[in-house]
Amino acid sequence: AQSVTQLGSHVSVSEGALVLLRCNYSSSVPPYLFWYVQYPNQGLQLLLKYTSAATLVKGINGFEAEFKKSETSFHLTKPSAHMSDAAEYFCAVSENTGNQFYFGTGTSLTVIP
Amino acid sequence: DTGVSQDPRHKITKRGQNVTFRCDPISEHNRLYWYRQTLGQGPEFLTYFQNEAQLEKSRLLSDRFSAERPKGSFSTLEIQRTEQGDSAMYLCASSFMMNTEAFFGQGTRLTVV
Repeated sequence: AQSVTQLGSHVSVSEGALVLLRCNYSSSVPPYLFWYVQYPNQGLQLLLKYTSAATLVKGINGFEAEFKKSETSFHLTKPSAHMSDAAEYFCAVSENTGNQFYFGTGTSLTVIP
Repeated sequence: DTGVSQDPRHKITKRGQNVTFRCDPISEHNRLYWYRQTLGQGPEFLTYFQNEAQLEKSRLLSDRFSAERPKGSFSTLEIQRTEQGDSAMYLCASSFMMNTEAFFGQGTRLTVV
């Protein structure tokens, strides 16, 4: 069965600092992995996805994530935080034989001016 | 195409009433998903359609919930005899193929009073 664990329900960074949001997955088969962002009272917007091509994936708004099979991780990073990055971030996994996405419980990112 | 559309955006209903939500997916997408999200949690899978066929339902989904996608285009989610525990954001998403990314609508926020 697939599952996703997001370590740290709340992360605060200073504007301009590195953003690191952690995601570990559990999957019995090679997974497809996604990061989504959600602003208040909005739906989810795709940031980036891993689908077994390059292990370092670049997404929108300067975010990137690296798939590390040995660590079963797919952490999200951004070199320099902007105020506009403040939002809820969700990691999701889908198996190549599966029919749905499994989401983590989310990490709320606060950017301090 | 402007993306996944959900209607209404907000719904307040009295306990015991029936409610129905509508989702219009991206037109060429054959897969449609319904998720429920409560405060501080990630989206929880409810059900999914491929074209007009409902292929999977969560075991957590009460018999009071029913979903349809009659012509493989828009979908409706009905909740009968609403309970306060049904208060949540109901998210619809669509995708083109299995394990491609899902695009989410802005959600319908249900409040049961």
